[in-house]
Amino acid sequence: KAGVTQTPRYLIKTRGQQVTLSCSPISGHRSVSWYQQTPGQGLQFLFEYFSETQRNKGNFPGRFSGRQFSNSRSEMNVSTLELGDSALYLCASSLEGTGETGELFFGEGSRLTVL
Amino acid sequence: AQTVTQSQPEMSVQEAETVTLSCTYDTSESDYYLFWYKQPPSRQMILVIRQEAYKQQNATENRFSVNFQKAAKSFSLKISDSQLGDAAMYFCAYRSQWLRDMRFGAGTRLTVKP
Repeated sequence: KAGVTQTPRYLIKTRGQQVTLSCSPISGHRSVSWYQQTPGQGLQFLFEYFSETQRNKGNFPGRFSGRQFSNSRSEMNVSTLELGDSALYLCASSLEGTGETGELFFGEGSRLTVL
Repeated sequence: AQTVTQSQPEMSVQEAETVTLSCTYDTSESDYYLFWYKQPPSRQMILVIRQEAYKQQNATENRFSVNFQKAAKSFSLKISDSQLGDAAMYFCAYRSQWLRDMRFGAGTRLTVKP
């Protein structure tokens, strides 16, 4: 099985722009979570989607949004970028129901730099 | 709210020796999962070991084992026969059986000296 795939791997934006990141989960995984990783704040939960519905949301401003499609692929969007949005954005998928282990399977991340 | 604390920002171990990474957590729930994840310099987080709270037996995966003390809310990771490839950031994580977000500690950077 292919792992979690995130695109793009690296991107550079300027303040005020917006960005869209994409995530394809492991086949059969319907839950997709997004995390922001920075040296100062560590790993912070953004949101989680299951069957196209946002099921959980972290404490981030409304500039951060996401969605999930019927094939479980997910996108997250950050509008009006700020310097502090520079981070590694990690996507993770998990299996629910039969065979559930609670484990998150992570992608390699998208490194966003805001200038 | 559930919190996870890793009190050791950095640890160092000699190759072939044993090292223990500490983790404590705070929760009022009785059923949950605990994990140790490894993030090598290439960045991809991979699972090292997991523990289900209802299981009293400590999990073991080859050279990796945990000491799970539910009453003390402690979940330490022991790495035996350390190898150069074990060098990475290690994150302790908590996931409720009901809530879907995973809570992470701040991480411990492990250096393995040859």
